[in-house]
Parts: sequence; C-alpha cells; structure tokens
Amino acid sequence: KAGVTQTPRYLIKTRGQQVTLSCSPISGHRSVSWYQQTPGQGLQFLFEYFSETQRNKGNFPGRFSGRQFSNSRSEMNVSTLELGDSALYLCASSSWDRGYVGNSPLHFGNGTRLTVT
Amino acid sequence: TQLLEQSPQFLSIQEGENLTVYCNSSSVFSSLQWYRQEPGEGPVLLVTVVTGGEVKKLKRLTFQFGDARKDSSLHITAAQPGDTGLYLCAGGRAGTASKLTFGTGTRLQVTL
Repeated sequence: KAGVTQTPRYLIKTRGQQVTLSCSPISGHRSVSWYQQTPGQGLQFLFEYFSETQRNKGNFPGRFSGRQFSNSRSEMNVSTLELGDSALYLCASSSWDRGYVGNSPLHFGNGTRLTVT
Repeated sequence: TQLLEQSPQFLSIQEGENLTVYCNSSSVFSSLQWYRQEPGEGPVLLVTVVTGGEVKKLKRLTFQFGDARKDSSLHITAAQPGDTGLYLCAGGRAGTASKLTFGTGTRLQVTL
C-alpha cells in the first residue's frame, strides 16, 4: 500500500505570493489533516477534512485554507505569504471515523518544505 | 501555547545506555501517542495509550500513561544508533483522532 504522498517536496516563494500544497492520502483513508512544523512552535494542527468537509480547525488565520476532493486528495492554500509561514507542512491521513482512536493512527507524509523570502 | 512539555529537550548518549523521556501537561487527554521523526521525513507512530496507568512495551521501548492521563514517559533500554531521531508525544481529545496537540520534542542522538 502506498503511503501518504505530498507534492512538491520543496517550494520557495516570495512574500505576498500564494501557494498550494497537495496531499494524496493512503488508499481508503477519508480523513486528511494538515500540520505546520517550525523550530519555534513545533507541530501545530491546521485543519482536518473528512469526506470533503472540514471537520476540525486549528488556530491559524484565514490566509490558511484547504479543501478535499471526492477521491480524498486534499490541497492546502496559503495566501499573502509572510516570512513566518516558512515551515514544513505535513499532511496525515487516517481511516478514523468515530469511536476508539487507537485502531486508526495518523500516517504522515514526508512534508512540503516551504521557504518564504 | 505549548500544552505538552517534553524533557529533556536534547539527549546525547552512547550505545547501550538507558534513557527516559518525559511528556507533561496540565490538561487531561483521552489518548497519548508517541512518534519518532527522522530528518526529511514525517513522524511515524510508535504507540497509542488510552487508559490511565497503561504500560505498553515495544521491544526495547516502554511507554507509560500517567494515572491522571496528564503525563507520559518513554523509556528506552540499551539504546542503539538506530534509535536516533526526534521523539514527539501527542495528546488527543475525545471525538477526534486527527486534532493532536504535539509536545515540544526530544532530540535523541545515540553514538557508538
């Protein structure tokens, strides 16, 4: 079974631009969540999508948005980029729908490293 | 605001030594997970604990969830160079498996 695939692996953008990151979950997983990882703040939850609907949201400004397609693939968009948006963006998929979480772990991709100059 | 504090932040030990990493919070979590992340890769789940006082063993790794479900520890026996990496604890709340609060991380280096 193929793992979670994130594209691109590396991205360099200029302040003020916008960027779109892509994530293909493990086949059969309907939950896709996004995290931002920085040296200062660590891993922080951005949002989660399940069956094309945003199910949970973290404490990030509205410049960060996402969507999920009918095949469970997800995209994350950041508009009006700021220097502080430089980070590793991680996508994770899960088969969890409800109930005991222990049987439905998160599977992370290798991330997209975004550098804003 | 980091709700999960890990200690120590950095650990450099020699092969064969034992070590313990701590994960502490003032909040109660319904589940606690431990991940290991290697450079250039995403975190990989090691274990999930959901019951207060629960102890799980994974070969040389022993995980414990505190009785009050606010803290956890990871003990590695006879560390090997392959154990090198960033160890992250993550707390989960009831009703969601994806919205995790991650700890500050412990970077472990095991040398020969």
